[in-house]
Amino acid sequence: GENVEQHPSTLSVQEGDSAVIKCTYSDSASNYFPWYKQELGKGPQLIIDIRSNVGEKKDQRIAVTLNKTAKHFSLHITETQPEDSAVYFCAARGGANFGNEKLTFGTGTRLTIIP
Amino acid sequence: GAVVSQHPSRVICKSGTSVKIECRSLDFQATTMFWYRQFPKQSLMLMATSNEGSKATYEQGVEKDKFLINHASLTLSTLTVTSAHPEDSSFYICSAPGRHSYEQYFGPGTRLTVT
Repeated sequence: GENVEQHPSTLSVQEGDSAVIKCTYSDSASNYFPWYKQELGKGPQLIIDIRSNVGEKKDQRIAVTLNKTAKHFSLHITETQPEDSAVYFCAARGGANFGNEKLTFGTGTRLTIIP
Repeated sequence: GAVVSQHPSRVICKSGTSVKIECRSLDFQATTMFWYRQFPKQSLMLMATSNEGSKATYEQGVEKDKFLINHASLTLSTLTVTSAHPEDSSFYICSAPGRHSYEQYFGPGTRLTVT
């Protein structure tokens, strides 16, 4: 089955600086890679995702890059703000692009933005 | 994104009793929904895939007789923790697809405490 590794487990950056979180996956058939932000006591929130037919996707201060050859993808947050502090999870899904395929999650990164 | 609701948000029950958690997909119909469990400072662990009109598919190590799943309609899945014990105390989260079937949106979670 799929295995997703995520690094680092914790990350502290100064407000205004950039943060990068990296994930690797094992199943070359995986074709969908979402990123979730989870605040304390809440459910994960989908913040950005990328499908295997593109190499990069950007949404305002957030971007995700995908390297299918190396089987890794990364989350980039620029101009970080205190409200970006949360736990971030990457995930991967293999098989067909259908909602009945399960996601495999990384172990999470606790991001702290230092004011 | 899609709106997924859960009820209750918090529940405290005595050991040996059963607890039902509801998950509703408010925006889109969902033939498949997912149930996760999350322990403090850990990643999301998939428990089972809830299939509308048929039996749920459980992950290895998850007791199907203890965690009963019912998906009677395209917008509602329920998870019943039967004969709950303190070790079942956890954060239970469901997910459902969004406009694009490959997307997964999470509910706000249910904090279960078994005393």
